Amino acid sequence: AQRVTQPEKLLSVFKGAPVELKCNYSYSGSPELFWYVQYSRQRLQLLLRHISRESIKGFTADLNKGETSFHLKKPFAQEEDSAMYYCALMNTGFQKLVFGTGTRLLVSP
Amino acid sequence: DAMVIQNPRYQVTQFGKPVTLSCSQTLNHNVMYWYQQKSSQAPKLLFHYYDKDFNNEADTPDNFQSRRPNTSFCFLDIRSPGLGDAAMYLCATSRDQGSNQPQHFGDGTRLSIL
Repeated sequence: AQRVTQPEKLLSVFKGAPVELKCNYSYSGSPELFWYVQYSRQRLQLLLRHISRESIKGFTADLNKGETSFHLKKPFAQEEDSAMYYCALMNTGFQKLVFGTGTRLLVSP
Repeated sequence: DAMVIQNPRYQVTQFGKPVTLSCSQTLNHNVMYWYQQKSSQAPKLLFHYYDKDFNNEADTPDNFQSRRPNTSFCFLDIRSPGLGDAAMYLCATSRDQGSNQPQHFGDGTRLSIL
């Protein structure tokens, strides 16, 4: 069975502090992982995907197959980063996304 | 510019009264998805259309149906809503299936059951 776990419902940090949003997955195949973000009053949108190895808005995420993790990191949080973040896994067999329950990031001034 | 449009944003219906939620897209994408998201839970895929091919998730209740009359529109029909169906319903599209095809989401319709 495939599962995505985001252990923190809420992560509160001060502006300028480092941020790490945790994501662990369970999947027997070769996973494809994503981070989606939902800012206040906006729709859910793709932030980044592991196959692109990209940095978006200062965020990066590295797939660690040994630890089955895909944590989202940013060295210096900004207030505008406050949002709901969802980790998601794509089932390559059936091509569907499985989401975690999300972590709300709150960056205070 | 909104590319995936869901109407209405808020829908209230009575227990057992059929309700239809609407999704339209201006992206001309092949795939359209419907997700259900209950409070503090992950979005959960109900079904998706690849063009005209309907794909139902195994655990989607029979109470939920969908129609896609053309490329642009997709509807979610709940035949006899129960209290447990109160949720946010998200529509999404992608050009094709695959990990290099990001899903574009609408704003969602929040459904309440009286």
